[in-house]
Amino acid sequence: NAGVTQTPKFQVLKTGQSMTLQCAQDMNHEYMSWYRQDPGMGLRLIHYSVGAGITDQGEVPNGYNVSRSTTEDFPLRLLSAAPSQTSVYFCASSYQKTGGYGYTFGSGTRLTVV
Amino acid sequence: AQSVTQLGSHVSVSEGALVLLRCNYSSSVPPYLFWYVQYPNQGLQLLLKYTTGATLVKGINGFEAEFKKSETSFHLTKPSAHMSDAAEYFCAVSEGGATNKLIFGTGTLLAVQP
Repeated sequence: NAGVTQTPKFQVLKTGQSMTLQCAQDMNHEYMSWYRQDPGMGLRLIHYSVGAGITDQGEVPNGYNVSRSTTEDFPLRLLSAAPSQTSVYFCASSYQKTGGYGYTFGSGTRLTVV
Repeated sequence: AQSVTQLGSHVSVSEGALVLLRCNYSSSVPPYLFWYVQYPNQGLQLLLKYTTGATLVKGINGFEAEFKKSETSFHLTKPSAHMSDAAEYFCAVSEGGATNKLIFGTGTLLAVQP
């Protein structure tokens, strides 16, 4: 069982470049989300999706886009990278239905914007 | 909106001593509560969760937490710390329902001294 797979694990971008962080899960989870982790700030929700074709903003959505064309995949796009987006990004998924199931996390993508 | 406060960003205990990590939450509805652990350079792993029923919840690695509605708390404890418990611990709250967003605290870094 692969669980939640994130690629790449590490990435260095120049300011202004764009890129897509990939996230895929094989558990048929309806709910998927993206978090960023910064020292002293815990994990902050960027975007989430409650099913294919449905996405919504979290706490810190500016500078990021998402789409959900399939149940399995939930890519995160940085349109024009900025140094403030240097962070560790985690994708997570959950069996949505009634809540309380907890999330399964990927191993993270460490992004540096120079 | 729900929120989580973790008291103490750093906690240090001696091996064999009691571990107590504090978490208080705010929620407009009966919450689902979680503790996650993150080892260095890894993703987050679910330690335990409270959904409904028994307010004392047991998790992996000897950890447990008690849901106290009157105190809006969900503190994490372990009777005897082990060196392998050194990690960062995150408390999280979800209100379930249609969005099932998981909101995290800022984390507590646990150090275990020999």
